[in-house]
Amino acid sequence: QVQLQESGPGLVKPSETLSLTCTVSGGSINNYYWSWVRQPPGKGLEWIGHIHYSGNTKYSPSLRSRVKISVDTSEKQFSLRLSSVTAADTAVYYCARVASYGESDSWGQGTLVTVSS
Amino acid sequence: SYELTQPPSVSVSPGRTARITCSGDALPKKYAYWYQKKPGQAPVLVIYKDSERPSGIPERFSGSSSGTTVTLTISGVQAEDEADYYCQSEDSSDSYWVFGGGTALTVL
Repeated sequence: QVQLQESGPGLVKPSETLSLTCTVSGGSINNYYWSWVRQPPGKGLEWIGHIHYSGNTKYSPSLRSRVKISVDTSEKQFSLRLSSVTAADTAVYYCARVASYGESDSWGQGTLVTVSS
Repeated sequence: SYELTQPPSVSVSPGRTARITCSGDALPKKYAYWYQKKPGQAPVLVIYKDSERPSGIPERFSGSSSGTTVTLTISGVQAEDEADYYCQSEDSSDSYWVFGGGTALTVL
C-alpha cells in the first residue's frame, strides 16, 4: 500500500517561496504521475499541477507563472515550489498519486501552510 | 479557463438517493472523477472513469455520464456519507486539470 507524506515549513512570509516535498513509500515512484492539490480554509479543492516520473509537467493556468514541480526518483520524492506567495496561498497542501486512468487514488494527509509575516 | 460546475449543496434524508451533478463542456470527451472530502481528512476517490468504483468503496456509490454532465449517485444514503464531494476532469486540450467547486451533501 503506497503512502505519501508531505513535509516542509508551515509558515512562509509574504513574497517568499513556498517549498514542499512529498515522500513516497510502499510503492514505486516510476510509471505514475504525481500531483499537488490545495484547499484554502473554507474553500474548495484546487489542482496545482502534476509531474510524470520522467519529468513532464502540467500546471494550473492560474498558478503557472509561479509554480514549479520537480521529481527525484532516486529519493522517491517530488516537490512543489510556489514563488511570490501571498495570504491567498494559505491552504492545506496535499500530494497525491495519479493512477492509470487519471484518478488520484492515494493521498498524503495534507500539510497546512500559512503565509504571514 | 475551463470550469466544472456543481451545485453548492444537496440535502437528502437517510436511506434515500442523493444525486450530485457536474457539468463541463469537455466531459463528453474526458473522464470524470469524484472525491469525497471530510473536514480534516484527505480526499477519497469514490468514482473514476465516469462510473468505475475503486475497491473498498461501497456499492451505493455509482457514477454516470450523459453529454456534458456527469452524475454521482449515492443510493441508500447513510449519515457517514455527509461530506463535500468534488468532481475532477481535464480540459479538452489536455493542458490542465480542474476540480468542480464542490457540493456539500447534508444528510437530514
